[in-house]
Amino acid sequence: DAGITQSPRHKVTETGTPVTLRCHQTENHRYMYWYRQDPGHGLRLIHYSYGVKDTDKGEVSDGYSVSRSKTEDFLLTLESATSSQTSVYFCAISESRSVSDEQFFGPGTRLTVL
Amino acid sequence: AQTVTQSQPEMSVQEAETVTLSCTYDTSENNYYLFWYKQPPSRQMILVIRQEAYKQQNATENRFSVNFQKAAKSFSLKISDSQLGDTAMYFCAFMKKLEYGNKLVFGAGTILRVKS
Repeated sequence: DAGITQSPRHKVTETGTPVTLRCHQTENHRYMYWYRQDPGHGLRLIHYSYGVKDTDKGEVSDGYSVSRSKTEDFLLTLESATSSQTSVYFCAISESRSVSDEQFFGPGTRLTVL
Repeated sequence: AQTVTQSQPEMSVQEAETVTLSCTYDTSENNYYLFWYKQPPSRQMILVIRQEAYKQQNATENRFSVNFQKAAKSFSLKISDSQLGDTAMYFCAFMKKLEYGNKLVFGAGTILRVKS
């Protein structure tokens, strides 16, 4: 199994509070991704990183920011959480940007915004 | 729009029987890969099988095989000799190139229940 951990695994927070989710990898992969999973939508890309300090937006990036100061860590921040951000969040990693390259997923974080 | 459609929200199958999950997709890419991921109740995303669009031969991995029809943009998953451990949500996806990386474009998923 790819060495990917996410923390926390579960979080309940209130509307308007900031939240940071952490993804940590031990594979030294260059590319890291944050997806959210919602019923009826599958998984959708929020942001991704293609190197230290290099990030770009995905299709559902509004309300989220990311940072990557080290190869192994990719942080996802909700500056002011809203109920629409209640979801399961997955981090993924890949070694290259080849379309054949598998993306390995972390265990997920269930976030509930009340 | 580049999309993936899984038309079966839920399916069930008896243990040891065969089941086929449907997937259609729409992409303007010339070279692409298609994937099936399994998500058991543990929530972990597990790659089941992948198919390169340029290969006409259907991919197989043990009890899992695909029926890839490129012209019809269809990519179904067949599970033979179903086992209780196959109970999971199954996602069909294709890889789309972005400016600096890639992303998986997922369907909404099919819940498969294997009954004893």
